[in-house]
Amino acid sequence: AQKVTQAQTEISVVEKEDVTLDCVYETRDTTYYLFWYKQPPSGELVFLIRRNSFDEQNEISGRYSWNFQKSTSSFNFTITASQVVDSAVYFCALSERVGGGADGLTFGKGTHLIIQP
Amino acid sequence: DADVTQTPRNRITKTGKRIMLECSQTKGHDRMYWYRQDPGLGLRLIYYSFDVKDINKGEISDGYSVSRQAQAKFSLSLESAIPNQTALYFCATSDPVGLGTGELFFGEGSRLTVL
Repeated sequence: AQKVTQAQTEISVVEKEDVTLDCVYETRDTTYYLFWYKQPPSGELVFLIRRNSFDEQNEISGRYSWNFQKSTSSFNFTITASQVVDSAVYFCALSERVGGGADGLTFGKGTHLIIQP
Repeated sequence: DADVTQTPRNRITKTGKRIMLECSQTKGHDRMYWYRQDPGLGLRLIYYSFDVKDINKGEISDGYSVSRQAQAKFSLSLESAIPNQTALYFCATSDPVGLGTGELFFGEGSRLTVL
């Protein structure tokens, strides 16, 4: 069975610090997809990134970057020069390719990120 | 207008009442899902549907039922609400043909409080 672990329940940093959110996953499938979603205080879920298991290149989008390492089954998310607007709950999620991800995503429990001014 | 719309957005009800949460989508996706979010537990799958004739239980289906009235509509019902069903509920869709990745497109959420 697939599983996603976000060991950091809550992280608090001061604005402008860099912060990394950890995500470790388990799957028996060789083809799978990993996701990060952001949930700001307003409650909606905002898609951040999708990564397939064959693409281990790191991705950078502005202040956001993602480090995917199959060897350690991790898909970590780093925010550089954090801002108060980054305060949110962040979810890592996994879908297995078998069945085309038909049975939905498996989510981690989320990391609550607090950026203090 | 949002691609995935949930109604109501907020609802307060009493124990034992029947509640229906509705979801409609304009994305043309066949697959629809209901998730429940509780603080510290992440999102957990309640039910999912591949089409109007295909309904599947998720991880936590007890106490819930669903109806897929049309490709675009998927409703979640609590026949007799209880306080531990107080949570934030999300409807989502996914497109297996276009992306095949399992990416979910979420509604804005329905916050349910059972007193």
